[in-house]
Amino acid sequence: AQSVTQLDSQVPVFEEAPVELRCNYSSSVSVYLFWYVQYPNQGLQLLLKYLSGSTLVKGINGFEAEFNKSQTSFHLRKPSVHISDTAEYFCAVSEDTDKLIFGTGTRLQVFP
Amino acid sequence: DAGVIQSPRHEVTEMGQEVTLRCKPISGHDYLFWYRQTMMRGLELLIYFNNNVPIDDSGMPEDRFSAKMPNASFSTLKIQPSEPRDSAVYFCASTHGGSDTQYFGPGTRLTVL
Repeated sequence: AQSVTQLDSQVPVFEEAPVELRCNYSSSVSVYLFWYVQYPNQGLQLLLKYLSGSTLVKGINGFEAEFNKSQTSFHLRKPSVHISDTAEYFCAVSEDTDKLIFGTGTRLQVFP
Repeated sequence: DAGVIQSPRHEVTEMGQEVTLRCKPISGHDYLFWYRQTMMRGLELLIYFNNNVPIDDSGMPEDRFSAKMPNASFSTLKIQPSEPRDSAVYFCASTHGGSDTQYFGPGTRLTVL
């Protein structure tokens, strides 16, 4: 069975600092990996995804993630965060892109 | 495109009452998903449909929960009778076959007193 672990429930960071949100997954087969972002009082929206090919994936708003098969990780990074990046970030895994299994989320709080 | 539409946005009800949540997927999308989000359990998939047919309902917590999709543009999630532990934000999402991106609605915040 698939599962996703987001190691940090909250990540506080100052504006313009770099940030990394960690995600590890478990699956017995090849997977597709996603990061979704949820702004306050809104639904989730896709930030980026890994389906195949290059292990470094670039998404919207300057975020990127690297797929590491040996470490079963898909960490999300941004070199310089803005106040507007304050949100909840969800890592998700899927074996067939139909059914997503989400992690518990990481709340990124950016301080001025 | 209006995106995924959910109604109501907020629902407050008393224990034992029937609750019906509604979702209109994006036109042309043939997959529809219902999720529940709570602090304790995070985001859980309850059920999903393909071409109006339920494909996987293994996430539906118990018989008090039921979901229908009578046509391609409408789905309901019903809880009867409701209990305080059902309090959560319920999201609907849709996508089309061949796409890997799900589009989420704004959610319905349900409070059961």
